[in-house]
Amino acid sequence: DQQVKQNSPSLSVQEGRISILNCDYTNSMFDYFLWYKKYPAEGPTFLISISSIKDKNEDGRFTVFLNKSAKHLSLHIVPSQPGDSAVYFCAARNSGNTPLVFGKGTRLSVIA
Amino acid sequence: DTEVTQTPKHLVMGMTNKKSLKCEQHMGHRAMYWYKQKAKKPPELMFVYSYEKLSINESVPSRFSPECPNSSLLNLHLHALQPEDSALYLCASRGGMHRETQYFGPGTRLLVL
Repeated sequence: DQQVKQNSPSLSVQEGRISILNCDYTNSMFDYFLWYKKYPAEGPTFLISISSIKDKNEDGRFTVFLNKSAKHLSLHIVPSQPGDSAVYFCAARNSGNTPLVFGKGTRLSVIA
Repeated sequence: DTEVTQTPKHLVMGMTNKKSLKCEQHMGHRAMYWYKQKAKKPPELMFVYSYEKLSINESVPSRFSPECPNSSLLNLHLHALQPEDSALYLCASRGGMHRETQYFGPGTRLLVL
Protein backbone atom coordinates (compact mmCIF):
# COMPACT_ATOMS: atom_id res chain seq x y z
CA ASP A 1 0.00 0.00 0.00
CA GLN A 2 1.51 3.27 -1.10
CA GLN A 3 1.28 5.76 1.72
CA VAL A 4 2.71 8.67 -0.29
CA LYS A 5 1.52 9.11 -3.85
CA GLN A 6 2.73 11.35 -6.62
CA ASN A 7 0.23 10.64 -9.34
CA SER A 8 1.93 12.63 -12.10
CA PRO A 9 5.07 10.86 -13.29
CA SER A 10 6.05 13.88 -15.37
CA LEU A 11 5.30 17.58 -15.86
CA SER A 12 6.44 20.06 -18.50
CA VAL A 13 6.38 23.79 -17.82
CA GLN A 14 7.52 26.83 -19.76
CA GLU A 15 10.40 28.83 -18.31
CA GLY A 16 9.11 31.70 -16.16
CA ARG A 17 5.76 30.05 -15.45
CA ILE A 18 4.66 28.32 -12.26
CA SER A 19 5.37 24.63 -11.67
CA ILE A 20 2.97 22.84 -9.35
CA LEU A 21 3.89 19.38 -8.13
CA ASN A 22 1.32 17.44 -6.17
CA CYS A 23 1.51 14.78 -3.50
CA ASP A 24 -1.17 12.85 -1.61
CA TYR A 25 -0.78 10.75 1.49
CA THR A 26 -2.93 8.25 3.31
CA ASN A 27 -1.35 8.01 6.76
CA SER A 28 -2.91 10.59 9.08
CA MET A 29 -0.05 10.04 11.56
CA PHE A 30 2.43 11.77 9.26
CA ASP A 31 3.41 15.07 10.80
CA TYR A 32 6.38 16.22 8.74
CA PHE A 33 6.61 16.51 4.98
CA LEU A 34 9.62 17.16 2.79
CA TRP A 35 10.39 17.79 -0.86
CA TYR A 36 13.63 16.61 -2.43
CA LYS A 37 15.04 17.33 -5.86
CA LYS A 38 17.15 14.73 -7.60
CA TYR A 39 19.39 14.83 -10.64
CA PRO A 40 20.37 11.53 -12.30
CA ALA A 41 23.11 9.58 -10.46
CA GLU A 42 23.16 12.10 -7.59
CA GLY A 43 21.74 12.00 -4.09
CA PRO A 44 18.45 13.77 -3.35
CA THR A 45 18.86 17.41 -2.36
CA PHE A 46 16.58 18.71 0.36
CA LEU A 47 14.43 21.59 -0.89
CA ILE A 48 11.79 22.54 1.60
CA SER A 49 9.69 21.03 4.36
CA ILE A 50 6.55 21.68 6.31
CA SER A 51 5.30 20.60 9.68
CA SER A 52 1.71 19.46 10.08
CA ILE A 53 0.99 22.44 12.32
CA LYS A 54 1.43 24.79 9.35
CA ASP A 55 -0.35 25.10 6.04
CA LYS A 56 2.29 26.99 4.11
CA ASN A 57 6.05 27.37 4.08
CA GLU A 58 7.95 29.58 1.68
CA ASP A 59 11.61 29.70 0.77
CA GLY A 60 12.56 31.87 -2.16
CA ARG A 61 10.99 30.52 -5.32
CA PHE A 62 9.68 27.44 -3.52
CA THR A 63 6.45 27.27 -1.54
CA VAL A 64 4.92 24.16 -0.04
CA PHE A 65 1.21 24.07 0.82
CA LEU A 66 -0.31 21.49 3.13
CA ASN A 67 -4.03 20.64 3.23
CA LYS A 68 -4.36 18.21 6.13
CA SER A 69 -8.07 17.59 5.71
CA ALA A 70 -7.48 16.52 2.12
CA LYS A 71 -4.16 14.80 2.97
CA HIS A 72 -2.59 16.71 0.13
CA LEU A 73 0.49 18.81 -0.30
CA SER A 74 1.89 20.68 -3.22
CA LEU A 75 5.16 22.31 -4.18
CA HIS A 76 5.00 25.54 -6.16
CA ILE A 77 8.06 26.79 -8.02
CA VAL A 78 7.80 30.28 -9.43
CA PRO A 79 9.28 31.42 -11.68
CA SER A 80 10.40 28.07 -13.09
CA GLN A 81 13.92 27.92 -14.49
CA PRO A 82 15.59 25.35 -16.79
CA GLY A 83 17.88 24.35 -13.91
CA ASP A 84 14.80 23.20 -12.01
CA SER A 85 14.47 20.27 -14.42
CA ALA A 86 14.89 17.19 -12.24
CA VAL A 87 12.89 14.50 -10.45
CA TYR A 88 11.05 15.78 -7.39
CA PHE A 89 10.26 13.41 -4.53
CA CYS A 90 7.68 14.06 -1.87
CA ALA A 91 8.41 12.36 1.49
CA ALA A 92 6.64 12.12 4.82
CA ARG A 93 7.32 10.79 8.28
CA ASN A 94 5.85 10.40 11.76
CA SER A 95 7.55 11.99 14.74
CA GLY A 96 10.42 10.14 16.36
CA ASN A 97 13.08 8.11 14.60
CA THR A 98 10.73 6.74 11.96
CA PRO A 99 11.79 6.26 8.36
CA LEU A 100 10.89 8.64 5.58
CA VAL A 101 8.24 7.34 3.21
CA PHE A 102 8.85 8.52 -0.34
CA GLY A 103 6.53 9.00 -3.26
CA LYS A 104 7.59 7.66 -6.65
CA GLY A 105 8.67 11.06 -7.91
CA THR A 106 7.61 13.50 -10.60
CA ARG A 107 9.97 14.42 -13.41
CA LEU A 108 9.80 18.16 -14.05
CA SER A 109 11.00 19.54 -17.37
CA VAL A 110 11.27 23.30 -17.64
CA ILE A 111 11.40 24.34 -21.28
CA ALA A 112 13.24 27.49 -22.29
CA ASP B 1 26.94 23.15 6.46
CA THR B 2 24.67 20.25 5.56
CA GLU B 3 27.22 18.06 3.87
CA VAL B 4 27.18 14.29 3.87
CA THR B 5 30.09 12.78 1.98
CA GLN B 6 30.31 9.32 0.47
CA THR B 7 33.20 7.35 -0.97
CA PRO B 8 33.79 5.99 -3.48
CA LYS B 9 31.64 7.75 -6.07
CA HIS B 10 31.68 4.71 -8.34
CA LEU B 11 32.45 1.06 -7.63
CA VAL B 12 32.61 -1.97 -9.87
CA MET B 13 32.94 -5.33 -8.17
CA GLY B 14 32.69 -9.00 -8.97
CA MET B 15 30.34 -11.34 -7.17
CA THR B 16 33.16 -12.80 -5.07
CA ASN B 17 34.66 -9.47 -4.01
CA LYS B 18 34.47 -7.79 -0.63
CA LYS B 19 34.23 -4.02 -0.62
CA SER B 20 33.03 -1.25 1.68
CA LEU B 21 31.12 1.96 1.15
CA LYS B 22 31.85 4.87 3.45
CA CYS B 23 29.74 7.77 4.63
CA GLU B 24 30.76 10.70 6.80
CA GLN B 25 29.03 13.71 8.30
CA HIS B 26 30.28 16.31 10.77
CA MET B 27 26.97 17.95 11.58
CA GLY B 28 26.60 16.14 14.90
CA HIS B 29 23.65 14.21 13.55
CA ARG B 30 22.88 11.13 15.62
CA ALA B 31 20.69 9.30 13.11
CA MET B 32 22.27 7.88 9.97
CA TYR B 33 20.71 5.90 7.15
CA TRP B 34 21.56 3.66 4.22
CA TYR B 35 19.25 3.67 1.21
CA LYS B 36 19.35 1.83 -2.10
CA GLN B 37 17.97 3.48 -5.20
CA LYS B 38 17.30 1.88 -8.56
CA ALA B 39 16.73 3.92 -11.70
CA LYS B 40 13.39 5.74 -11.85
CA LYS B 41 12.43 4.56 -8.36
CA PRO B 42 12.39 6.35 -5.00
CA PRO B 43 15.08 5.57 -2.42
CA GLU B 44 14.44 2.35 -0.47
CA LEU B 45 15.46 2.31 3.17
CA MET B 46 17.97 -0.39 4.15
CA PHE B 47 19.28 0.46 7.63
CA VAL B 48 18.89 3.11 10.30
CA TYR B 49 21.44 3.85 13.01
CA SER B 50 20.45 5.92 16.00
CA TYR B 51 23.16 6.97 18.45
CA GLU B 52 25.52 4.49 16.78
CA LYS B 53 23.19 1.56 17.36
CA LEU B 54 21.32 -0.25 14.62
CA SER B 55 17.65 0.56 15.13
CA ILE B 56 16.06 -0.53 11.86
CA ASN B 57 17.03 -3.26 9.40
CA GLU B 58 14.51 -3.45 6.57
CA SER B 59 15.02 -7.19 6.02
CA VAL B 60 18.20 -6.58 4.07
CA PRO B 61 20.13 -9.70 2.95
CA SER B 62 23.19 -10.51 5.06
CA ARG B 63 25.51 -9.87 2.12
CA PHE B 64 25.07 -6.21 3.17
CA SER B 65 26.57 -5.52 6.57
CA PRO B 66 26.37 -2.03 8.09
CA GLU B 67 28.75 -0.65 10.67
CA CYS B 68 28.78 2.59 12.64
CA PRO B 69 32.30 3.01 14.11
CA ASN B 70 31.49 6.41 15.61
CA SER B 71 28.90 9.17 15.47
CA SER B 72 30.36 10.66 12.27
CA LEU B 73 30.95 7.53 10.22
CA LEU B 74 28.76 4.89 8.67
CA ASN B 75 30.05 2.00 6.60
CA LEU B 76 28.32 -0.56 4.44
CA HIS B 77 30.32 -3.75 3.94
CA LEU B 78 29.53 -5.70 0.79
CA HIS B 79 30.26 -9.38 0.21
CA ALA B 80 29.09 -11.88 -2.40
CA LEU B 81 26.75 -9.44 -4.05
CA GLN B 82 24.53 -10.26 -6.99
CA PRO B 83 24.16 -8.32 -10.26
CA GLU B 84 20.69 -7.21 -9.16
CA ASP B 85 22.35 -5.37 -6.25
CA SER B 86 23.69 -2.84 -8.75
CA ALA B 87 22.18 0.50 -7.76
CA LEU B 88 22.90 3.92 -6.31
CA TYR B 89 23.61 3.57 -2.58
CA LEU B 90 22.72 6.66 -0.60
CA CYS B 91 23.68 7.66 2.89
CA ALA B 92 21.68 10.21 4.85
CA SER B 93 21.82 11.78 8.28
CA ARG B 94 19.38 13.63 10.47
CA GLY B 95 19.58 15.71 13.61
CA GLY B 96 20.82 19.03 14.93
CA MET B 97 18.89 22.26 14.45
CA HIS B 98 16.80 20.93 11.57
CA ARG B 99 16.28 17.63 13.30
CA GLU B 100 13.33 16.55 11.22
CA THR B 101 15.18 16.81 7.92
CA GLN B 102 17.31 14.06 6.39
CA TYR B 103 20.27 15.22 4.37
CA PHE B 104 21.57 12.89 1.68
CA GLY B 105 25.05 12.29 0.39
CA PRO B 106 25.82 12.17 -3.33
CA GLY B 107 25.68 8.38 -3.39
CA THR B 108 27.92 5.55 -4.56
CA ARG B 109 27.06 4.11 -7.95
CA LEU B 110 27.66 0.36 -7.60
CA LEU B 111 27.90 -2.08 -10.47
CA VAL B 112 28.13 -5.80 -9.69
CA LEU B 113 29.41 -7.95 -12.52
